[in-house]
Amino acid sequence: NAGVTQTPKFQVLKTGQSMTLQCAQDMNHNSMYWYRQDPGMGLRLIYYSASEGTTDKGEVPNGYNVSRLNKREFSLRLESAAPSQTSVYFCASSDGTGGLRSYTFGSGTRLTVV
Amino acid sequence: GENVEQHPSTLSVQEGDSAVIKCTYSDSASNYFPWYKQELGKGPQLIIDIRSNVGEKKDQRIAVTLNKTAKHFSLHITETQPEDSAVYFCAGAPLLAFSGGYNKLIFGAGTRLAVHP
Repeated sequence: NAGVTQTPKFQVLKTGQSMTLQCAQDMNHNSMYWYRQDPGMGLRLIYYSASEGTTDKGEVPNGYNVSRLNKREFSLRLESAAPSQTSVYFCASSDGTGGLRSYTFGSGTRLTVV
Repeated sequence: GENVEQHPSTLSVQEGDSAVIKCTYSDSASNYFPWYKQELGKGPQLIIDIRSNVGEKKDQRIAVTLNKTAKHFSLHITETQPEDSAVYFCAGAPLLAFSGGYNKLIFGAGTRLAVHP
């Protein structure tokens, strides 16, 4: 199984450009998440989708939008990129049914906004 | 909401020594505490987790302890090896009642562990 697949792995954007980060999981998980990782700040939740058809804001949602396209796919969109959005972005999924479950992470997208 | 603090931010040990990383949490409703290891250029991977009805859990050279009264939990790595070098994250999560049942993890800032041969 591939687990959680993120594309692209690297991206450089100019300020004001838009882009969509793609994430797909093949584990039939209900819940999916987008985190950003910045030095000294750990992983901060941007948006999450508890189940297909629902999305909710996390800690740092400003400047982002998400789409839960189907059970497998959860995309993150930057409408007008800013240098403050330079970060490593991780998608994760979990099977929330039956109680507490850990996450499976993708390998990340390193985004630089210049 | 939940806040998780992690210490130290960096840790350097000699091969064969033990390493301990500590985390505290703020939300007394949190009852699930996983630990992740992140190697360079990769996503975090679960290495061990503990639920609030357990005080300690071991898996070979790795152990986690939980003190619910003090709201802190720790990761212990014994007989460290160079391949243990990585960034380690703790996390906490309250069980949220929801039709599908899911948990939202709040992460600590991470500890960079270096094991020197």
